[in-house]
Amino acid sequence: AQKITQTQPGMFVQEKEAVTLDCTYDTSDQSYGLFWYKQPSSGEMIFLIYQGSYDEQNATEGRYSLNFQKARKSANLVISASQLGDSAMYFCAMREPYQGGKLIFGQGTELSVKP
Amino acid sequence: DGGITQSPKYLFRKEGQNVTLSCEQNLNHDAMYWYRQDPGQGLRLIYYSQIVNDFQKGDIAEGYSVSREKKESFPLTVTSAQKNPTAFYLCASSLSGAGANVLTFGAGSRLTVL
Repeated sequence: AQKITQTQPGMFVQEKEAVTLDCTYDTSDQSYGLFWYKQPSSGEMIFLIYQGSYDEQNATEGRYSLNFQKARKSANLVISASQLGDSAMYFCAMREPYQGGKLIFGQGTELSVKP
Repeated sequence: DGGITQSPKYLFRKEGQNVTLSCEQNLNHDAMYWYRQDPGQGLRLIYYSQIVNDFQKGDIAEGYSVSREKKESFPLTVTSAQKNPTAFYLCASSLSGAGANVLTFGAGSRLTVL
């Protein structure tokens, strides 16, 4: 069964520094998609970045990049030049084909950015 | 602007009462989803629907019911059979259930059982 694991319940980073949030996944499918979402204290879920299993390049979106290591089944989120507004919960999620498009989420990592 | 509207934002319920959470989208998305989030936890799937008049159970469907009579609407009823309904409920939609189609989420509904 598919599973997402985020082993860092909480992380601290100094403003303007880079931070890596870990995500490992388990699936028997060759085709799958990996997503990262941000959840501020308001509760809304904000999409950050997507990586397809067949994508050869690591995905990037502004200050966000996804360090995709397929053989290790890891999809770590890298946030460069952290800002105070980056303080939030971050969730890694996976979608497998023929599953109705549903996402399976990890437990999340709470990121706190220090001034 | 297109988006997903969930209501009410906060809801209090007495034990033994059914409550219905509303979810409306104007994104013309085919697929819709309901997730539950408990404090400090990830999201767990309750129900999902890929097309009007059809829906499937997720991982924690017991004590919940849904309907999908219109493409835009996917209401969730929390029944008295749900043993621990206090949680944050998130509705989402996507263009289709495939590939890179992103799930767009509503702002959520927080249900508290008194």
